[in-house]
Amino acid sequence: NAGVTQTPKFQVLKTGQSMTLQCAQDMNHEYMSWYRQDPGMGLRLIHYSVGAGITDQGEVPNGYNVSRSTTEDFPLRLLSAAPSQTSVYFCASSYSAGAHYEQYFGPGTRLTVT
Amino acid sequence: DQQVKQNSPSLSVQEGRISILNCDYTNSMFDYFLWYKKYPAEGPTFLISISSIKDKNEDGRFTVFLNKSAKHLSLHIVPSQPGDSAVYFCAAYSGAGSYQLTFGKGTKLSVIP
Repeated sequence: NAGVTQTPKFQVLKTGQSMTLQCAQDMNHEYMSWYRQDPGMGLRLIHYSVGAGITDQGEVPNGYNVSRSTTEDFPLRLLSAAPSQTSVYFCASSYSAGAHYEQYFGPGTRLTVT
Repeated sequence: DQQVKQNSPSLSVQEGRISILNCDYTNSMFDYFLWYKKYPAEGPTFLISISSIKDKNEDGRFTVFLNKSAKHLSLHIVPSQPGDSAVYFCAAYSGAGSYQLTFGKGTKLSVIP
């Protein structure tokens, strides 16, 4: 199993550009989520999905869109990048939604918006 | 307003000694707690968890203690090893139907050989 994979590893964008961060898992996990980590901060939840076709907002959803058309993939779209979106983005998945299932994290995408 | 607080940004411990990482929470609805470990340039990895119906959970060198009345949990690492040097995040779920994990800011542990 490759686990949770994320592409790209690094990305530099100009303000106003759009892009999609890719996330895939090969563990047939039901639950997937996106977090961002900023210096001195914990991980903050952006969006999550409890199954294909079902998504919901987390703590910091503004400026991001998600969709879940398959169990394996959960892309995160930045609609119009802003410097405040400079961060490290982590995708995670777990066997099922809710408590008692630990989440497996990808290696992260480091995004810089200039 | 932070619901999960890790008030020590960093901790240094001698190899072989005990490391104690602390975490406080404010939301009384939290009922399941997890610790994650993160090395630089990698994603967090799950370490150990505890349900609110327990006060202790042990896994090898790692033990998590939960004091519900004080809304406090701690992670003990005994003995500490240089490979334990990482950032440790405390995280919490708030009950059935909760799909959101709330993280603390993390504590950077340095184990000195």
